[in-house]
This record gives sequence, C-alpha cells and structure tokens, in this order.
Amino acid sequence: DSGVTQTPKHLITATGQRVTLRCSPRSGDLSVYWYQQSLDQGLQFLIQYYNGEERAKGNILERFSAQQFPDLHSELNLSSLELGDSALYFCASSRSGAPANEKLFFGSGTQLSVL
Amino acid sequence: AQSVTQPDIHITVSEGASLELRCNYSYGATPYLFWYVQSPGQGLQLLLKYFSGDTLVQGIKGFEAEFKRSQSSFNLRKPSVHWSDAAEYFCAVVGASGNTPLVFGKGTRLSVIA
Repeated sequence: DSGVTQTPKHLITATGQRVTLRCSPRSGDLSVYWYQQSLDQGLQFLIQYYNGEERAKGNILERFSAQQFPDLHSELNLSSLELGDSALYFCASSRSGAPANEKLFFGSGTQLSVL
Repeated sequence: AQSVTQPDIHITVSEGASLELRCNYSYGATPYLFWYVQSPGQGLQLLLKYFSGDTLVQGIKGFEAEFKRSQSSFNLRKPSVHWSDAAEYFCAVVGASGNTPLVFGKGTRLSVIA
C-alpha cells in the first residue's frame, strides 16, 4: 500500500458528461501529480500541485482542470468527456515536489470509461 | 525536452532466466533516470534511480540498472527472473534541474513462463 488513495476506482459515464476524480496524498506529502495512462499514449503527465498551488503543467486539455485543497487532497475535473478520454488516471504524491530528489508514491488509479 | 524510448513493447522470459529491459533517453545533459514497476491493478512503484556517481545502480527485488552515457541508455537487468516479476516496467527521466515532472517511456510488459 503506497498510502495514496484514489476514488473512485472505476467510473463509467457517457460522452459530454463531467466527472471528478479524487486523490488523497500520503500523510505529510505536499505535492500531488496527475498522470493519464492509455494504451496509445502511455503515461502522460497532466499537472502538478505543491501545497495548494500549481507547479507544473503538462499535456492537460482545456476541458480538464485540477486543484489542491488546504487539506492537500486534490481533485481532477474532466468535462465534456469524449471517447478518447477513456483511460487510467493516476495520482502520485511526494514530500517536496522535486522529482529528482525523492520518489513518487502512486495510487492505484481511477479507470475511466466513456461510452 | 527530455524523452524516453523503450524499444520493446512485450518480452517473455522463462522463470530463472536472466532479463534485460532496454531504455534510451534523449537529453542534452546527464538526466536523472528511474525505473518503475506496475503490477496488475496497482500503481507504479520505484525500483531504482540514478543521479550521479557509480553507473551501476542497485534496486529493490534484485534489480539493477546500468547508465551508459555513450549510448544514452539505462537498461534494467535481473540475473534470475521469478514468476512474480511479471508486470509492466517503465523507464523515466527528469531533466538536470531536477524540478520538472517525470517523463515516462511507454513501458515494457514482461511475461514470465514456467
């Protein structure tokens, strides 16, 4: 168990809908990362937050947004969903937010299926 | 920008045989390099990492990796594979600043047969 909790584990929805994925980092970790894993694209970095503020942004679509709350949990909001958004969404956390100096702890992911 | 290539999508080895998973990176300077493993239904777990110094790095579960600057490679090895090693393996890179997020390769799926 990595200590990172993601809910829900599975999510099935329809095109055009909006969903929210939730992540609780390990106790004491200040940084949260979101990754999208699909068969064709592999693991793609979406966005990173550190202590409530956005630190880095990757290949995140404008339809997607995220935030980190004062209690350090994070939510990834996906709107106007398309079939191609079906993927496994991972959250990871780390203590300081400098990936070179520490390891990331990954949650088990949320499997999103858009029908 | 840094990138990682894992040339092998799927590898099958016999239990007890040796293993080498290939990873090539693209970066102008010496990057920070990582190997992660993803077991079925699980998140990723760090196996080992290379920052500097000794180019042969030891990790958990009996894995090791060797950094070769001349070949821009960071191949993962294990002398004797166990059935429990069947998983997806990801190589990842972080730029020399150390503060950019991890960039992952597309992964290599390892199957282990008896």
